[in-house]
Amino acid sequence: SQTIHQWPATLVQPVGSPLSLECTVEGTSNPNLYWYRQAAGRGLQLLFYSVGIGQISSEVPQNLSASRPQDRQFILSSKKLLLSDSGFYLCAWSVGAGSDTQYFGPGTRLTVL
Amino acid sequence: AQTVTQSQPEMSVQEAETVTLSCTYDTSESDYYLFWYKQPPSRQMILVIRQEAYKQQNATENRFSVNFQKAAKSFSLKISDSQLGDAAMYFCAYRTNAGGTSYGKLTFGQGTILTVHP
Repeated sequence: SQTIHQWPATLVQPVGSPLSLECTVEGTSNPNLYWYRQAAGRGLQLLFYSVGIGQISSEVPQNLSASRPQDRQFILSSKKLLLSDSGFYLCAWSVGAGSDTQYFGPGTRLTVL
Repeated sequence: AQTVTQSQPEMSVQEAETVTLSCTYDTSESDYYLFWYKQPPSRQMILVIRQEAYKQQNATENRFSVNFQKAAKSFSLKISDSQLGDAAMYFCAYRTNAGGTSYGKLTFGQGTILTVHP
């Protein structure tokens, strides 16, 4: 069966510091991968998605970037965090170009002080 | 662009009773998917139920069922025999089946907090 991992689970970082959040998927090959952000416990906003190694699509301009160095690894990064980057970050995966359903990881709670 | 609206910020239900959560969406597409996700206090998003727009039959998963009204662009979730473990935030989500830049993108509503009273 497929599983998705995210780490760290929680993170407190000062403004201006770098960020690296990692997401890995097990039990499947060539998944589509997604990064979402949830602010204030409400709706999720898609930040990035990737349909293959090295392929990244950005949905909104922001202070963040994403990379996919391996088939089942997706990394969310920032060179300098802003207060507005605080939130709950969720990684998701899906398989297939048709009726694929997205399955979510446990998430990372990021607080920028 | 597609939008998803959940007009009920909070709902409550007595244990063993039935509750319906509302969701409406706006789209000009005819081929798409709709989802209900549950987010318990752990905050992990859990898929509850999925509906394909080209299927007229409403999806069901055990105690969870939907009322999909394509012409009205309405997609409500009914939870029967509510249990304490159903307490969570519920999100309605839309996914296009078209290619291009929206490929795979889920558009979420703002969520409905469901409280279950014993």
